[in-house]
Amino acid sequence: KAGVTQTPRYLIKTRGQQVTLSCSPISGHRSVSWYQQTPGQGLQFLFEYFSETQRNKGNFPGRFSGRQFSNSRSEMNVSTLELGDSALYLCAARTVVGVYEQYFGPGTRLTVT
Amino acid sequence: KNQVEQSPQSLIILEGKNCTLQCNYTVSPFSNLRWYKQDTGRGPVSLTIMTFSENTKSNGRYTATLDADTKQSSLHITASQLSDSASYICVVSDRGSTLGRLYFGRGTQLTVWP
Repeated sequence: KAGVTQTPRYLIKTRGQQVTLSCSPISGHRSVSWYQQTPGQGLQFLFEYFSETQRNKGNFPGRFSGRQFSNSRSEMNVSTLELGDSALYLCAARTVVGVYEQYFGPGTRLTVT
Repeated sequence: KNQVEQSPQSLIILEGKNCTLQCNYTVSPFSNLRWYKQDTGRGPVSLTIMTFSENTKSNGRYTATLDADTKQSSLHITASQLSDSASYICVVSDRGSTLGRLYFGRGTQLTVWP
């Protein structure tokens, strides 16, 4: 079956700009989570969406926001980019029943200059 | 505070050798523990998932153990291959909400040399 897809795969932006990343989950996997990964901090949880509602949230500033659509696709937006936002952004999709399996996408590599 | 600590931070072994990676956690309440393998520049891929009642689970050359009493887990890799070079991440899920929260370790970077 098709995996989790993320677009774009690579992105270069300048400080102060904003960016929108997209994630399309596996069919039937209605929960989508977003993570930021940097060499120094490892994987950091941003937020999780289910049924178009944010269900969990990590400790990131309000510049990081997201949304989920009725088809479970999700977008993440970062406004007023800072150099420290350079990272690999991963989304992961899962079911919400039982001991679920979580499937990660390939990530979007964001570089802020 | 819910935390997941992994050791060692990095490890270099020769091809064909075995190794063991460690994970200690303080997450409570506990639901399950996962080990992921992440190749450079790619998303993590699940290796094993263990619940409270399971103390060992294998996936090919990978064997994970869980001691829920001491809140420790290990991932043993047998007869390592060059393709095992990757970051191995321990993840613990709580039952604090309907959807649970995942707590990630910082990973062990494994390098296998020929």
